[in-house]
Amino acid sequence: EAGVTQFPSHSVIEKGQTVTLRCDPISGHDNLYWYRRVMGKEIKFLLHFVKESKQDESGMPNNRFLAERTGGTYSTLKVQPAELEDSGVYFCASSQERTRNSPLHFGNGTRLTVT
Amino acid sequence: AQKVTQAQTEISVVEKEDVTLDCVYETRDTTYYLFWYKQPPSGELVFLIRRNSFDEQNEISGRYSWNFQKSTSSFNFTITASQVVDSAVYFCALSGRNTGGFKTIFGAGTRLFVKA
Repeated sequence: EAGVTQFPSHSVIEKGQTVTLRCDPISGHDNLYWYRRVMGKEIKFLLHFVKESKQDESGMPNNRFLAERTGGTYSTLKVQPAELEDSGVYFCASSQERTRNSPLHFGNGTRLTVT
Repeated sequence: AQKVTQAQTEISVVEKEDVTLDCVYETRDTTYYLFWYKQPPSGELVFLIRRNSFDEQNEISGRYSWNFQKSTSSFNFTITASQVVDSAVYFCALSGRNTGGFKTIFGAGTRLFVKA
């Protein structure tokens, strides 16, 4: 079984540019999450999809961030325009069950650097 | 407030030493779940263990053991006879109704260096 895959693994962009991150969850996992870790701090929740619907987007920092999951398969997270404080590692995770005791299956993350 | 605190930012040990990673949590929930994840150099977080709030039994899995104490709101992780392959960042995490939706709250992580 293929795990959660994220692309790209690294991205370096200039302030003001646009970047799109992609996540392919484990096949059959309806629940997809985006998290972010900024420089040695906590991993923070961004949003949660159930299939193609946004279940919870309370962690999205501002309207420069747009997440989509068309067709309920892969998801994209677009940052437009990027700011310096957006730098960090963006993790995608998926789970089969929508329960609070479900372990998350994570991808390797995308390291975003905004200069 | 819902919060997970991992006070140890980095720990360095020599191979075969025992090491304990601390995790203290805060929650208003009576039912909640605690997790530990490992992030090796390859980058992905790997699930290690889940503990339910109503089950305070400690758990041992090979060289790994977990001590859950509700009285002190702690869920500590001990590695016995550490090995170089244990070098990683370890995250403690919490989930419950009051974390909001189905999100998981993570601590800042503890980076463990095991030297040969």
